[in-house]
Amino acid sequence: DTGVSQDPRHKITKRGQNVTFRCDPISEHNRLYWYRQTLGQGPEFLTYFQNEAQLEKSRLLSDRFSAERPKGSFSTLEIQRTEQGDSAMYLCASSYRGLSTEAFFGQGTRLTVV
Amino acid sequence: QQQVKQSPQSLIVQKGGISIINCAYENTAFDYFPWYQQFPGKGPALLIAIRPDVSEKKEGRFTISFNKSAKQFSLHIMDSQPGDSATYFCAALTQGGSEKLVFGKGTKLTVNP
Repeated sequence: DTGVSQDPRHKITKRGQNVTFRCDPISEHNRLYWYRQTLGQGPEFLTYFQNEAQLEKSRLLSDRFSAERPKGSFSTLEIQRTEQGDSAMYLCASSYRGLSTEAFFGQGTRLTVV
Repeated sequence: QQQVKQSPQSLIVQKGGISIINCAYENTAFDYFPWYQQFPGKGPALLIAIRPDVSEKKEGRFTISFNKSAKQFSLHIMDSQPGDSATYFCAALTQGGSEKLVFGKGTKLTVNP
């Protein structure tokens, strides 16, 4: 399978703990996006990388959230001091030339904070 | 502020019928309008997209109709099949601007056999 891969698929954590998610984009894609999707809602933009540079961040990305894309390959999204409101599906997508060409989404990481 | 409003929230259609999902946008800078299909446990997948220089785009059983003056666009699924049962999201983007897709809230489509 050469699609966008996300790990883990599911994560249950206690409030206050730190969690880290990984996204492996399609290999030739230089753009990588993180979105968050809560139940019954559409995905909401979190942040965007072109190669290793983080070019845009949403106001949703509080200082507890940090994302990296070292060497322009895989990306990690870390949430520190998790809160119950962080419970959501975290989606990663990648594209070759930007979102107006096709962006491919991964299956997401479902986070549950208890 | 929700920039893309989608309706209905849910839709039930009989096999062979036409499914119609509507979206309205506010930001006139949007110039790319994709529709995504999402099955349970999966990420969204691009279904079809349109740019505002055309009023309609058809791919197989899926058609986007676009009304620039009304700032509305819709997805029509002809000959709906049970396998089309999924959640559909409209979205909008400003090409050459922010790389931020703005999604509607989604429509859960159920096609009964």
